[in-house]
Parts: sequence; C-alpha cells; structure tokens
Amino acid sequence: EAGVVQSPRYKIIEKKQPVAFWCNPISGHNTLYWYRQNLGQGPELLIRYENEEAVDDSQLPKDRFSAERLKGVDSTLKIQPAELGDSAVYLCASSQRFLSSGGRGNEQFFGPGTRLTVL
Amino acid sequence: AQSVTQPDIHITVSEGASLELRCNYSYGATPYLFWYVQSPGQGLQLLLKYFSGDTLVQGIKGFEAEFKRSQSSFNLRKPSVHWSDAAEYFCAVAAGAGKSTFGDGTTLTVKP
Repeated sequence: EAGVVQSPRYKIIEKKQPVAFWCNPISGHNTLYWYRQNLGQGPELLIRYENEEAVDDSQLPKDRFSAERLKGVDSTLKIQPAELGDSAVYLCASSQRFLSSGGRGNEQFFGPGTRLTVL
Repeated sequence: AQSVTQPDIHITVSEGASLELRCNYSYGATPYLFWYVQSPGQGLQLLLKYFSGDTLVQGIKGFEAEFKRSQSSFNLRKPSVHWSDAAEYFCAVAAGAGKSTFGDGTTLTVKP
C-alpha cells in the first residue's frame, strides 16, 4: 500500500514569491492534515479536512496561506507571498474516518514532508 | 489547553543499552497519548498509542510505554537500543478530534 505522497521534497524560494505544496493521501483516508514543523519543534496543525471540507483551519494564517482539497482526495497548500519565517518542513498526514472515540485515537500516517527555505 | 513536555532535547546511549525517553502531558480529561519516531528526511511513524486499559502498552520495533496518571507521564522505553533507533522521537496528546499536540521532540544518538 502506498503511503502519503508529497511533492516537492525540497523548495528554495526568495521572499515574497509564491509556493505550493501537493499531497496525495493514502487511498480511502477521508481525513487529511497539513502541519508545519519548525526546526527543533514538533509539528503544529495548520488545517484539517474531512473529505473536501476544511473542518479546522483555526491555525492557518489566512492572510497568506490557503489550502484546497478538491474532490476530497489530493490537497494543495499555498503560501503567497512567502516570508522568511515560513521556512520550515510542511507535513501532510491522513487518517481513516473517525471512530467512536470522537476521532482522538485515529492513527495519522505522515508523508515525508516538503522542506521550504525562504531566502 | 493541552500541552506536552519532553524534558530531554538530546539523549545519547550506547548500542545495547536500555533507553527511556520522558514525556509529561497536561490535559484535563482522559488523555489519548502517542509516541512517534521521525528519521532524517522522513515523516513521523507511529510507535504506539494509549487510550485506556493496561497502562503498559507495547509498540513496534520493541518499544513500550507506561502511562502514569498520577505523574502525568507517558515515558517510552526500550530494553536494548539498536543503532537503527537513532532518530527523533515525539510524544503527542490528542484532545479533540484531529487535535494532536506534539512535544518538541527528543533526538536520540546511539554510540557504537
């Protein structure tokens, strides 16, 4: 079974340029997450999708970040314009539909991430 | 709000020695707790998780963790470390649906 696929793996851009990251989740996984992982820190959730609906985007900086998950499968995360502080690893994860536990226990499967460097 | 503290930023152990990575959490209700491992250039992989029941949980790659409610801890252990265990380890607590809070990680170095 293929895992979560992300591209590109690395991206170097100059500040004020736009950038986009793509994620293909595990087949059949309804829930998709985008995380940002700063150097030396754990991942922080940016946005969570249930199928094509963004159900939690409270931590997404909406002035410059946007995301979409058309048809409830692949997803794209965009930054426009990028700032120096956006340099980080952007991780995508997916999980199956929430169980009766309210979803807290669902295992998330992570992709390898995209390492973004903003110069 | 929930939080996770991993007190040790970096740990070095000799191959074959035992390992314990510490994790303390703050959460008002029954916590759902996880340990993930991240190798360089890779995403996070789930090692084990605790929801309820037996407070000693077994995971993959020979890891185990013990939940201690009185200490708000969920420490990860392995009796004999292998060189391939060198990686970064993250503890996480899940509050609401899809809301996992991660610690800042512990980097494990294994000496030959």
